[in-house]
Formats: sequence, structure tokens, C-alpha cells
Amino acid sequence: DVKVTQSSRYLVKRTGEKVFLECVQDMDHENMFWYRQDPGLGLRLIYFSYDVKMKEKGDIPEGYSVSREKKERFSLILESASTNQTSMYLCASNEGGGGGRSQPQHFGDGTRLSIL
Amino acid sequence: DAKTTQPNSMESNEEEPVHLPCNHSTISGTDYIHWYRQLPSQGPEYVIHGLTSNVNNRMASLAIAEDRKSSTLILHRATLRDAAVYYCILRGTTSGTYKYIFGTGTRLKVLA
Repeated sequence: DVKVTQSSRYLVKRTGEKVFLECVQDMDHENMFWYRQDPGLGLRLIYFSYDVKMKEKGDIPEGYSVSREKKERFSLILESASTNQTSMYLCASNEGGGGGRSQPQHFGDGTRLSIL
Repeated sequence: DAKTTQPNSMESNEEEPVHLPCNHSTISGTDYIHWYRQLPSQGPEYVIHGLTSNVNNRMASLAIAEDRKSSTLILHRATLRDAAVYYCILRGTTSGTYKYIFGTGTRLKVLA
């Protein structure tokens, strides 16, 4: 089974801190994704990556950056955390190439981040 | 981007079939229809997907309308563990990207 592992289930940080959320997948998937999930808004795509060192902005990239130095690892960075970034963050991965759109995404269990 | 419309909530009795509807009237010819569910305190879990034909797997069945403007996820015998939020998502290529657009889904309540 595909496993997507997020480094923390719960995280509490302070306003202005630089925050790193880590995600690792074990299935050699090309595509990796970061979403945030807020009540009433569903899941919203922040960034995704279709290869090492490649990235594309999603719907809400402001205030975030990402890093993908190795195929299995995709990091989300909050450059200067703010209270409106308090949310559930979900990482996902799937196969890339032409099959990417027909293959399911596999999600981690999420990181619940609180910014005080 | 094509969007989906689902009822906010549904209820079902345990061990009865459940039909979860989804409308996607602006679907394009290359969009796959994916269904996910999310249990409390977990990430979304893949359930099933299809393009044109009806699909079955161990978890559920997916019935796709002939014009592809709607689909129905069928849970043949609901159990308490099926209580979750169910998302219907179109998966296609938009401007060269691979995007999922998650709506707010249908919250399924299963009554014992």
C-alpha cells in the first residue's frame, strides 16, 4: 500500500515564525501536492510538484513556498506564519505523466497547525 | 474549471444501500470522475473513479450517466464505518496542470 507520511499530526507555532511541514511518500510517485482544509471551504490546493525541483502554484499560494529536493519528499514552508494560516494541512501524491489525471491521489493524515 | 455539486448531507440506515449523487454539468470529455471519502481526523481516502463506463470495486460502485453530467456513488450495504464526508471530484488537465477541485462534499450519517 502507498504510504504518505506527514511529519507531525499537531503543531503549534507563533506569529512570524518560519514553519516547515514535511511530507514523504514511499511509492516513487512523480506528483506531490499540498492542500489546506478549512471548515466550509473544502480542500484548497496550495502548491504541487510534478518532478524534483519542479513546482506549480495552486489556488492559494500566497504566504507559502515549497521545496522538492528529492523525489520522495515535499516540504511546505510558511515564510512568516500568520494566524490566518491556522488550518489542517494535507499532503498527497500520485503517479505522474499522462496517467496522472486518471490515477488516484494518496493522502497523508494531515497536520493540524495552530498559529498563535 | 469544471465543478461538482453534491448535497450537503444524507442519512442512511445501517445495512441499507446508499446512493450519493453528484452533478457535473460542465464536465469535459477528458475529465475523470473520482470519489474520495474522509473519516474524522484522517486524510481523504480514495474510493473509486471512472471515465465513461460504470465501475465496481470492493468498496463501492460508480454509476455514470450516459451524458456524463452526473454520477452516483453506490455503497451497497452501509455500515457505521462508512460515516464520512464523500467528495466527488473531476480530474483533468487544465492549462497543463493536474488539479483536483474539492468541493465541500456530502456528509453521510449512518444510523444504527
